[in-house]
Amino acid sequence: DTAVSQTPKYLVTQMGNDKSIKCEQNLGHDTMYWYKQDSKKFLKIMFSYNNKELIINETVPNRFSPKSPDKAHLNLHINSLELGDSAVYFCASSRAEAGELFFGEGSRLTVL
Amino acid sequence: QKEVEQDPGPLSVPEGAIVSLNCTYSNSAFQYFMWYRQYSRKGPELLMYTYSSGNKEDGRFTAQVDKSSKYISLFIRDSQPSDSATYLCAMSALGSNYQLIWGAGTKLIIKP
Repeated sequence: DTAVSQTPKYLVTQMGNDKSIKCEQNLGHDTMYWYKQDSKKFLKIMFSYNNKELIINETVPNRFSPKSPDKAHLNLHINSLELGDSAVYFCASSRAEAGELFFGEGSRLTVL
Repeated sequence: QKEVEQDPGPLSVPEGAIVSLNCTYSNSAFQYFMWYRQYSRKGPELLMYTYSSGNKEDGRFTAQVDKSSKYISLFIRDSQPSDSATYLCAMSALGSNYQLIWGAGTKLIIKP
């Protein structure tokens, strides 16, 4: 059983398109995150949700919008994709009272 | 100056060697220290978790935290080719919603 699963794993699209990445965790965790990892492997947090409420929203363009329908799911929608959005996007989850993150396998987004 | 500094490597050592990976940090409020391992095209996975100062051992892995020097280390004994991966340090402070601050990751290569 995959603990944190995200789909799709690979996404190739044209500039200007809108796309979504879905994430689900079956660990019973209260907090979920979206991270962006660039080509130099640097991990940067984008959003964090605790029990469906946004608690961290780092400086990301408004084109990125997270949605948490319930505490097991956190989706990422991206409007008007740009070349610089090409990266690997990781979903993660943790218990609210601990900092140990469990990551999904990543969604590799390529914008042409 | 970044809050967390980590040499990106690559660090290449022969099989069986003792590996030392390090991070330095500037924020004295950090209390939670983690090491994550990331294999190519996979999500990071938690390897070691330490609260405050001291050592923690788990099999071939030892994590050390020296808060007075703002320096953390991960030692790998009897290194194996399967240890080849990128190792990321991460840390957080009390009251920060456990928001992790990440190092850039060190790419480790163990040569058979």
